This record gives sequence, structure tokens and C-alpha cells, in this order.
Amino acid sequence: SAVISQKPSRDICQRGTSLTIQCQVDSQVTMMFWYRQQPGQSLTLIATANQGSEATYESGFVIDKFPISRPNLTFSTLTVSNMSPEDSSIYLCSVETAVQTNTGELFFGEGSRLTVL
Amino acid sequence: AQSVTQPDIHITVSEGASLELRCNYSYGATPYLFWYVQSPGQGLQLLLKYFSGDTLVQGIKGFEAEFKRSQSSFNLRKPSVHWSDAAEYFCAVGGYNTDKLIFGTGTRLQVFP
Repeated sequence: SAVISQKPSRDICQRGTSLTIQCQVDSQVTMMFWYRQQPGQSLTLIATANQGSEATYESGFVIDKFPISRPNLTFSTLTVSNMSPEDSSIYLCSVETAVQTNTGELFFGEGSRLTVL
Repeated sequence: AQSVTQPDIHITVSEGASLELRCNYSYGATPYLFWYVQSPGQGLQLLLKYFSGDTLVQGIKGFEAEFKRSQSSFNLRKPSVHWSDAAEYFCAVGGYNTDKLIFGTGTRLQVFP
């Protein structure tokens, strides 16, 4: 398993600003994933972040809006840029451990709940 | 198209009653199936998973799920629900050599004393 810490746990932001969410894992992992969970909806994958390479974004998500950093094997950040109320969501970091690679078995952080006014 | 359907948005049960949460999937290859639980204000926790083998899988917290290929289903069950089981439950499907999961829309479980 893996222990994942996310910061901030929640925040209230003003329209037009940007916020960076941090994700720290207690062990080295190859793949880190960022999900969005909009109010009352399921999880949607934003992007996959590998250390040392550009993040891979899913359809509907772009790097300019959601820039991601992955400086090492235990840390990643997701920035939500130029926020609007539609970006109000829970953003979840998840990882796949070395033991369970390529199986889809994920461990999740507690999420960062963003409210944009 | 690949998808997961959880037909029940909200279920209410009495404590001690049995529980079954439904999950149907559409997936082009051999599916890997998961159930996750999300307690209020928390991230997702893996309850159980199915990769292959015995179609009845046991998970944590007394939960089990049965994979039925003919029905494309992976329903979650618990014989006796506890008040602490109140949470949102998500079914998800993935496949061999893929890291991407497709999640259902979730079922919110409410437990009455």
C-alpha cells in the first residue's frame, strides 16, 4: 500500500486565480494520477504524471489549464489555473504501487476540495 | 464504449440488514474490477478487486463481490450492514496492462439505526 498526503485539504478561491495542489507519497512510485470529482459525480481522470516526462492528459483536459509537475518519484503538483466556479471540485491524487503496476489498483489521497467563488 | 453503470444513486438500509450494490460494466477486453469506498471528507479506499480466478472475492470490512461474466456484473454485498458503512461506493473497471480506471457514478449508502 501507499500513504498519500495532499495539501491543501480544502480551499476557497477567487475567480481568475490559480491554486497548486501538492501530493506527497511515502514511497517511490512510477505512476501518479490526478482525478477530478465534481459535485455529485464520479471520478474523471485528468492526467497521468510520470517522473522525468511530460504529463499525459485525457480528452477534455489541457496543460495550460492543469499544469502538472513531477520532479521526483514521491511528489507531484497539480495547478488549477485561471479558476472559474466550474472548477469547484475535489481533486484527488492517486498512485499505483510498484507491486501492482499496470493493474489499475490505485491508492488515493484524501483529496483537495476547491470552491471557486 | 467502455463504461460502468451503477443504477442505484442512493440506497437506504437499516443497520443489520443485508446489502447489495449493483454494478454493470462494458469493457472490450478481460476486465479487472474494483470496488472503492469513500467516506465523507475522505479519499477512496479499495474494498476489493477481481483480476481472475474465483468469481466470488472477499474484501475488507466484511464485503464481498461476485463477478458474473454472462451478466457483465460485479455486485457488492454485505450480509449485515453497520452504521459505519454509510459512505459512497464506487465500482470501477480496468484491464490488463492499463493504469486507467473507469469509474461508475457511485451509490450513496445511508444506514439507519
